[in-house]
Amino acid sequence: DSGVTQTPKHLITATGQRVTLRCSPRSGDLSVYWYQQSLDQGLQFLIQYYNGEERAKGNILERFSAQQFPDLHSELNLSSLELGDSALYFCASKPRDLNTEAFFGQGTRLTVV
Amino acid sequence: DQQVKQNSPSLSVQEGRISILNCDYTNSMFDYFLWYKKYPAEGPTFLISISSIKDKNEDGRFTVFLNKSAKHLSLHIVPSQPGDSAVYFCAASALGGNTPLVFGKGTRLSVIA
Repeated sequence: DSGVTQTPKHLITATGQRVTLRCSPRSGDLSVYWYQQSLDQGLQFLIQYYNGEERAKGNILERFSAQQFPDLHSELNLSSLELGDSALYFCASKPRDLNTEAFFGQGTRLTVV
Repeated sequence: DQQVKQNSPSLSVQEGRISILNCDYTNSMFDYFLWYKKYPAEGPTFLISISSIKDKNEDGRFTVFLNKSAKHLSLHIVPSQPGDSAVYFCAASALGGNTPLVFGKGTRLSVIA
């Protein structure tokens, strides 16, 4: 158990809909990262938050947004969903921006039909 | 442009032999490198890391080698065990951990009994 909790584990929704994925980082971790893994692809970095502030942005679509709340949990909002958004979405956390490993949650598998 | 490349999508090794997984990178700013292991339906799990000030780091059966001039790192698993069968991701970050991890596409290792 990495200590990072993601909910829900599975999500099936229709095109055009909006969903929210939730991540609770390890206790005390200030940094939260969101990654997307599509079929046969590596993990693509989407966005990072550090202590409530957006820290870095990667290949995140404009239809996607995220935030980190005062209790440090984070939510990733995906809207106007398309079939191509079907993927595994992982959240990871680190204590600070140091040369240490990031701990990953088990992911949310999103299927858009 | 892929900054971290794992050119072998898959590797098959007999139990007890050495497994060597390779990774190349293009960004000379990377100074921290990690290997993650991923089983199906689970999040990536940290395996071993190396800082750019070292050229080797060992942890039990796992050794990571870094060749900065060639921008190449490798993960050696000796001896390989069936439980090592998983997808292995190489990842890198820059600026003392202040940038998000950049992942390769992964290598699927199969250890045959």
